[in-house]
Amino acid sequence: DAGITQSPRHKVTETGTPVTLRCHQTENHRYMYWYRQDPGHGLRLIHYSYGVKDTDKGEVSDGYSVSRSKTEDFLLTLESATSSQTSVYFCAIRGLGEAFFGQGTRLTVV
Amino acid sequence: QQPVQSPQAVILREGEDAVINCSSSKALYSVHWYRQKHGEAPVFLMILLKGGEQKGHEKISASFNEKKQQSSLYLTASQLSYSGTYFCGTEVQGNTPLVFGKGTRLSVIA
Repeated sequence: DAGITQSPRHKVTETGTPVTLRCHQTENHRYMYWYRQDPGHGLRLIHYSYGVKDTDKGEVSDGYSVSRSKTEDFLLTLESATSSQTSVYFCAIRGLGEAFFGQGTRLTVV
Repeated sequence: QQPVQSPQAVILREGEDAVINCSSSKALYSVHWYRQKHGEAPVFLMILLKGGEQKGHEKISASFNEKKQQSSLYLTASQLSYSGTYFCGTEVQGNTPLVFGKGTRLSVIA
């Protein structure tokens, strides 16, 4: 199994609070991605990274920011959480071929 | 722009066959197929590169029609373990982020 870990696995937070999700890899892969998964929408790309300090927006990036200061860590921040950001968040890593997904973070904004 | 998957859902009896389709409005470099079981992360099945290549994995195979920008996943002699949601992920250039379809829920019953 690819070495990819997401933390936390579950989180409940209040509307308006900032939240940071962490993705950590031990594979030294260049590419890292954050997706959100919602019923009826599949997996939608939030942000992605091509390398350290090299990030770009995906299709649903509003309200989210990311940082990648080290190859192994990719952080996703919800600047001010809203109920519409209640979702399951998956991090993925990729070398030259397939993508490997973390186990997901279930985030509930109340 | 998300690729379109069809059907949205299918129910099979053990031993029956199924086909899941994925189509894109854009010229594609590759198509990836993943399977996700309930509460788990998506797991890679196979990659198809442009050129009409067909690949196989156990009793699951796939094809990619480059001219039509369509890929099909073939599941033969289905087993209970095949149940899950199948996603296609498309890539317009090498090493660009995968864009996923909304998924096809496959249920195999005894």
